[in-house]
Amino acid sequence: KAGVTQTPRYLIKTRGQQVTLSCSPISGHRSVSWYQQTPGQGLQFLFEYFSETQRNKGNFPGRFSGRQFSNSRSEMNVSTLELGDSALYLCASSPGLPRAEQYFGPGTRLTVT
Amino acid sequence: GNSVTQMEGPVTLSEEAFLTINCTYTATGYPSLFWYVQYPGEGLQLLLKATKADDKGSNKGFEATYRKETTSFHLEKGSVQVSDSAVYFCALSDESGGSNYKLTFGKGTLLTVNP
Repeated sequence: KAGVTQTPRYLIKTRGQQVTLSCSPISGHRSVSWYQQTPGQGLQFLFEYFSETQRNKGNFPGRFSGRQFSNSRSEMNVSTLELGDSALYLCASSPGLPRAEQYFGPGTRLTVT
Repeated sequence: GNSVTQMEGPVTLSEEAFLTINCTYTATGYPSLFWYVQYPGEGLQLLLKATKADDKGSNKGFEATYRKETTSFHLEKGSVQVSDSAVYFCALSDESGGSNYKLTFGKGTLLTVNP
């Protein structure tokens, strides 16, 4: 079974621009979660989608948004990029059931200059 | 709120040494507990999990037991290898209060194993 894929793997953007990251979950998984990983803050939960609906949201500003499509693929968007948005963005796939484990993709490394 | 505290690294061991990485948690409900491992330049891989008190998760020689009385989930391995060098994250998923499916992570512990 193919794992979680994320595109692109690396991205360099300028302050003020916007960016869209993509995630394809494991086949059959209906839940996709997004996490931000930085050296200072560690791993922080952004949001989780299940069957095209946002079920949970972390404490991030409204510049961070996401969506999920009917095939369970998900995108996250960051508008008006700031230097502090430089991070590894990880997508996790899960069946979406209670106590189910989450499987992570390789991440997208975003650098904002 | 929920939180996970794990021992600060880095941890440096010689091959075949015994490994313990401490992890304690605070949760409002009855969480599931996980250990994830991250190799350089990669995402997180699930190492093991436990979903209820006294459960023992195990995989690839690693073990951790869910201790509700001490709110702990310490990771152990009897004999580490160079290939175990990575960052290890303890995490919880709290099934109560509407926060299902969200993982709360510790800061991570960098393990380096020397030959």
